[in-house]
Amino acid sequence: EAGVAQSPRYKIIEKRQSVAFWCNPISGHATLYWYQQILGQGPKLLIQFQNNGVVDDSQLPKDRFSAERLKGVDSTLKIQPAKLEDSAVYLCASSTSGQGIRKTQYFGPGTRLLVL
Amino acid sequence: GDSVTQMEGPVTLSEEAFLTINCTYTATGYPSLFWYVQYPGEGLQLLLKATKADDKGSNKGFEATYRKETTSFHLEKGSVQVSDSAVYFCALSFTSGNTPLVFGKGTRLSVIA
Repeated sequence: EAGVAQSPRYKIIEKRQSVAFWCNPISGHATLYWYQQILGQGPKLLIQFQNNGVVDDSQLPKDRFSAERLKGVDSTLKIQPAKLEDSAVYLCASSTSGQGIRKTQYFGPGTRLLVL
Repeated sequence: GDSVTQMEGPVTLSEEAFLTINCTYTATGYPSLFWYVQYPGEGLQLLLKATKADDKGSNKGFEATYRKETTSFHLEKGSVQVSDSAVYFCALSFTSGNTPLVFGKGTRLSVIA
């Protein structure tokens, strides 16, 4: 079974530029998460989708971050304009929508963003 | 809100030493508990999990027991190897609903030969 795919793996941009990340979840996984992992910290949720609807975006800085999941499969996360403090690893995860232990989250390799 | 506290690293051990990484949590209700591992250059991988009190999760020689009375989920391994060098994250979520993971800050483990 293929895992969660993300691209690009690395991105370097200057502040005030825009950037987009892409995620392809495991086939059949209805729930998709984007996490931000700042160096030295644990991942923190940015946004959660169930199919193509947003479940939780309370921690997404909506003045600069946006995300979509068209057709309930792939997802893109965009930052516009980027700030220095956005330098982090952006992780995508997916899970099934069932109850209990079947909801284990599987993570992609992440996109490492450096804002100069 | 819900939170996870892990012992701070880095932790450096010699090969075959005993490992303990402490993890405690604060949550309303009864979450499921997880340990994830992040090897250098790789994504997060689920190491083990426990879904209710007194459950023991185990994998690859690692173990952790869900202790409700002490709100803890300490990770242990009897004999570490160089290949265990990684960052370990303790996390919780409520699997009865569609909730995301809440992570601790991570503990970096280095095992030297």
